[in-house]
Amino acid sequence: AQTVTQSQPEMSVQEAETVTLSCTYDTSESDYYLFWYKQPPSRQMILVIRQEAYKQQNATENRFSVNFQKAAKSFSLKISDSQLGDAAMYFCAYRSFPAGTASKLTFGTGTRLQVTL
Amino acid sequence: DTAVSQTPKYLVTQMGNDKSIKCEQNLGHDTMYWYKQDSKKFLKIMFSYNNKELIINETVPNRFSPKSPDKAHLNLHINSLELGDSAVYFCASSPSEGLGETQYFGPGTRLLVL
Repeated sequence: AQTVTQSQPEMSVQEAETVTLSCTYDTSESDYYLFWYKQPPSRQMILVIRQEAYKQQNATENRFSVNFQKAAKSFSLKISDSQLGDAAMYFCAYRSFPAGTASKLTFGTGTRLQVTL
Repeated sequence: DTAVSQTPKYLVTQMGNDKSIKCEQNLGHDTMYWYKQDSKKFLKIMFSYNNKELIINETVPNRFSPKSPDKAHLNLHINSLELGDSAVYFCASSPSEGLGETQYFGPGTRLLVL
């Protein structure tokens, strides 16, 4: 079974600084997608960034970028120039199409990011 | 202009009652989902429908029954509510069940069973 592990329950970063959130996953599939979702206090889940396993180039979305290490099964999220609005729970998620079953999004346990002045 | 809406946002009820949560998406998506987020913030898929057909049914008590009257709606009915059902329930939708599709989440329904 696929599992997603986020080993940092909480992280803190100062405004304008850079922070990296860790995520590792376990899979025997070759084709899959990885995602980072953000859940601010409003509870709304919002997609931050996604990465296809076949793409070697790391995905980037403005201040958000990933470091995807396929062999190590690692998918970390880097937030540059942190802003107060980045404070939220961040969930790493994995999705593949195991043979004979529908695909489903498997989430990690989340990392709570605090942004301080 | 809400993309994925859920009603109600909050639900407080007694053990043993039956309740429903409604979900509607106006994005024209084919696939809809129900997730449960427990008190430790762990988010887990419960059900998924594609074009009104059930495609994912995780190990969920059969007190939980999803219903999709059309592609834009996926409702969740819960019978004989138990204390352990207290959680936040999220509805989501995506254009299809494709691997890389973005799932758009509703605002969540916080259910408290007393």
